[in-house]
Amino acid sequence: DVKVTQSSRYLVKRTGEKVFLECVQDMDHENMFWYRQDPGLGLRLIYFSYDVKMKEKGDIPEGYSVSREKKERFSLILESASTNQTSMYLCASSAGQGDSQPQHFGDGTRLSIL
Amino acid sequence: GQNIDQPTEMTATEGAIVQINCTYQTSGFNGLFWYQQHAGEAPTFLSYNVLDGLEEKGRFSSFLSRSKGYSYLLLKELQMKDSASYLCAVMDSNYQLIWGAGTKLIIKP
Repeated sequence: DVKVTQSSRYLVKRTGEKVFLECVQDMDHENMFWYRQDPGLGLRLIYFSYDVKMKEKGDIPEGYSVSREKKERFSLILESASTNQTSMYLCASSAGQGDSQPQHFGDGTRLSIL
Repeated sequence: GQNIDQPTEMTATEGAIVQINCTYQTSGFNGLFWYQQHAGEAPTFLSYNVLDGLEEKGRFSSFLSRSKGYSYLLLKELQMKDSASYLCAVMDSNYQLIWGAGTKLIIKP
């Protein structure tokens, strides 16, 4: 089974802090994704990556950056956290490129910015 | 713009059948996915449709009509553990997933 592991289930940070969310997958997947999930809205894509050291902006990249130094690890960075970034953050991975493979998700990090 | 519509919430009775609808308007189509998400947990993959018709997987079936931009997820012999949110997502021409807001399914005894 695919295992996607996010470093924290719950996180509380203060406004202005730099926040790191880590995600690791164990299935040698090429593709990795970061989403945020808010009540009443669909999953919104923040950033994604199709290969090591490669990143692409999703629909809502403002205020975020990412890092993919190794194939199995994809980090999301909140450069200067703000209260409107309080949300559930979900990491996902999938195999292939230009291919309709399902995404596999981690358990999520519920982030609160005070 | 791209849009996925599904009902916000549905209620059904244990042992019954429920159909969750999803309509979509996207730029291109490379398949439609259904995911299940229990409260506080990760979404888990249920089904994938790329051709018109019905795909059956045990108690769950998924139907697609590309000409109508329409899909449904059919759950039979409902169990209490089926209480969850069901997410519809369409893969567009760039192989990006466009997500619906999800349907919260409540199962009553």
